Amino acid sequence: AQSVSQHNHHVILSEAASLELGCNYSYGGTVNLFWYVQYPGQHLQLLLKYFSGDPLVKGIKGFEAEFIKSKFSFNLRKPSVQWSDTAEYFCAVNQRNTGRRALTFGSGTRLQVQP
Amino acid sequence: EAGVAQSPRYKIIEKRQSVAFWCNPISGHATLYWYQQILGQGPKLLIQFQNNGVVDDSQLPKDRFSAERLKGVDSTLKIQPAKLEDSAVYLCASSLDPSLPGGDEAFFGQGTRLTVV
Repeated sequence: AQSVSQHNHHVILSEAASLELGCNYSYGGTVNLFWYVQYPGQHLQLLLKYFSGDPLVKGIKGFEAEFIKSKFSFNLRKPSVQWSDTAEYFCAVNQRNTGRRALTFGSGTRLQVQP
Repeated sequence: EAGVAQSPRYKIIEKRQSVAFWCNPISGHATLYWYQQILGQGPKLLIQFQNNGVVDDSQLPKDRFSAERLKGVDSTLKIQPAKLEDSAVYLCASSLDPSLPGGDEAFFGQGTRLTVV
């Protein structure tokens, strides 16, 4: 069974600091990779996704993520965080080429950005 | 575009009682998912529907949980009887169709927060 690990459970940064959140998955087959964000009081929203092609993907609000197949990783980055980035971030993966396309999520990283 | 609608937003019940949640996916989305999110954890799949058929219910505790998606549109998830450990947020999500380009992107509803006392 596939699994997703997010190593940082709670991250506190000051505004303008750079962000990198780690995500590793375990699955030997072909996967799609996602980062979702949940702002306080809101529903889960897609931040960015990787299906194929350029392993460096750009998402909304200045976020990007890099897929490194050899490391089974899909780390999320942002060069300069803002207070409004305070939220919980979830990495997720699903298996391509199967009927079971449900997402497997990591446990999430709570990001707190201090003004 | 209207999003995924869920109701109720909050529910408090006593253990051994029953409860039902409702979900209306985005129009035209063939795939519907129910997830359980326990505090401090990521969402965990309970069941996946493709139109009105079940694709994956391997993690659904079938002795107490049931779900249906009649007519391939909206869906209900039921718990009977509820246990204390069922306290969680129940999320509904939908996607177009995994066989289509970009069809894997799942859109989530606000969720129903269940507290079992």
